[in-house]
Amino acid sequence: EAGVAQSPRYKIIEKRQSVAFWCNPISGHATLYWYQQILGQGPKLLIQFQNNGVVDDSQLPKDRFSAERLKGVDSTLKIQPAKLEDSAVYLCASSLGDRYNYANTGELFFGEGSRLTVL
Amino acid sequence: AQSVTQLGSHVSVSEGALVLLRCNYSSSVPPYLFWYVQYPNQGLQLLLKYTTGATLVKGINGFEAEFKKSETSFHLTKPSAHMSDAAEYFCAVSLGGDYKLSFGAGTTVTVRA
Repeated sequence: EAGVAQSPRYKIIEKRQSVAFWCNPISGHATLYWYQQILGQGPKLLIQFQNNGVVDDSQLPKDRFSAERLKGVDSTLKIQPAKLEDSAVYLCASSLGDRYNYANTGELFFGEGSRLTVL
Repeated sequence: AQSVTQLGSHVSVSEGALVLLRCNYSSSVPPYLFWYVQYPNQGLQLLLKYTTGATLVKGINGFEAEFKKSETSFHLTKPSAHMSDAAEYFCAVSLGGDYKLSFGAGTTVTVRA
């Protein structure tokens, strides 16, 4: 079974530039997450999709970050304009998770991440 | 809201010694608890999870964890450390079926030969 695919693995940009990250979840996984992991910290949830709808984007800085999941499959996370403090690893994860399916134990499967450096 | 506290950002153990990583959580409802491991430049991999039932949970690579509700803890242990255990370990909690994991800050494990 193919895992969660992310690209690019590494990106270096100047502040105020824009960047986009792409994620393809495991086939059949209804739920997709974007996490931000700053060096020395645990991952922080940015946005959660259930199929192609947003479940939670309360921690997403909406003035500069946007995300979409068209057709309920792959997803794109965009940052525009980037700030120095956006330097982090952006992790995509997916799960079978259906918030109404309590038989599912909620395991998340993570991609290898996209490392962003903002200069 | 739920949160996780991992005690100790760095743990150093000798090869063959006990590995003990501490995790305490706060949750307003019965939690689901997870331990993930992250090797350099890789994503997170699930070690083990507790949802319901038996409070002693066994995972991959010889790790286990015990859910103690009275202590709000979910400490991770491995009886004998191996060099390949050197990595960063994250404890995480979710509120049952909402599947939104909240992670601790992580504990980096180094293994001395």
